[in-house]
Amino acid sequence: KQEVTQIPAALSVPEGENLVLNCSFTDSAIYNLQWFRQDPGKGLTSLLLIQSSQREQTSGRLNASLDKSSGRSTLYIAASQPGDSATYLCAVIIYSFGNEKLTFGTGTRLTIIP
Amino acid sequence: DGGITQSPKYLFRKEGQNVTLSCEQNLNHDAMYWYRQDPGQGLRLIYYSQIVNDFQKGDIAEGYSVSREKKESFPLTVTSAQKNPTAFYLCASSISDLQETQYFGPGTRLLVL
Repeated sequence: KQEVTQIPAALSVPEGENLVLNCSFTDSAIYNLQWFRQDPGKGLTSLLLIQSSQREQTSGRLNASLDKSSGRSTLYIAASQPGDSATYLCAVIIYSFGNEKLTFGTGTRLTIIP
Repeated sequence: DGGITQSPKYLFRKEGQNVTLSCEQNLNHDAMYWYRQDPGQGLRLIYYSQIVNDFQKGDIAEGYSVSREKKESFPLTVTSAQKNPTAFYLCASSISDLQETQYFGPGTRLLVL
């Protein structure tokens, strides 16, 4: 059974710092991995999607990497801003018994301190 | 203005009552999904549909039902058989399947009276 872990559960950093969020998964046979952002009481917003054949994806100040062999992905946020404060979730898709299965991590709650 | 809408934002259910959560999208996506989010847990898939008039159970379908009569709409009914319905419910859609980027609605918070 695929398990997705995000540690730490919460992180606080001063504004302007670069930071890394971690995502670990137990089954390396994934189709892709997605990073999402969730603001309190709101839905999820897709940030980046990395296909299994890719090593990284970039969007603005965000860079996501994928290492399937070690079962890890990182989300790098450069020059953090207070508006980056949110919960960040990763999700992986595997193919299991004829079906695609999406598994989410529990998220890291990020607070950027002005 | 394209997107996914969910209504209501808050919903209260009495014991033994069935309630229906609405999800509508105008993105022309074939696939739609329902997730449940509980504190300290990741999102869990309840049901998904990849085409009109067809849907499949996710990991926690017991106590829930869905329909997909129109491409734009994927309502979720929380039945009285769902003994612990209090949660945040999220609807999502994607172009055709789980492998593509999912777009989420704003969510409905269901509370039991």
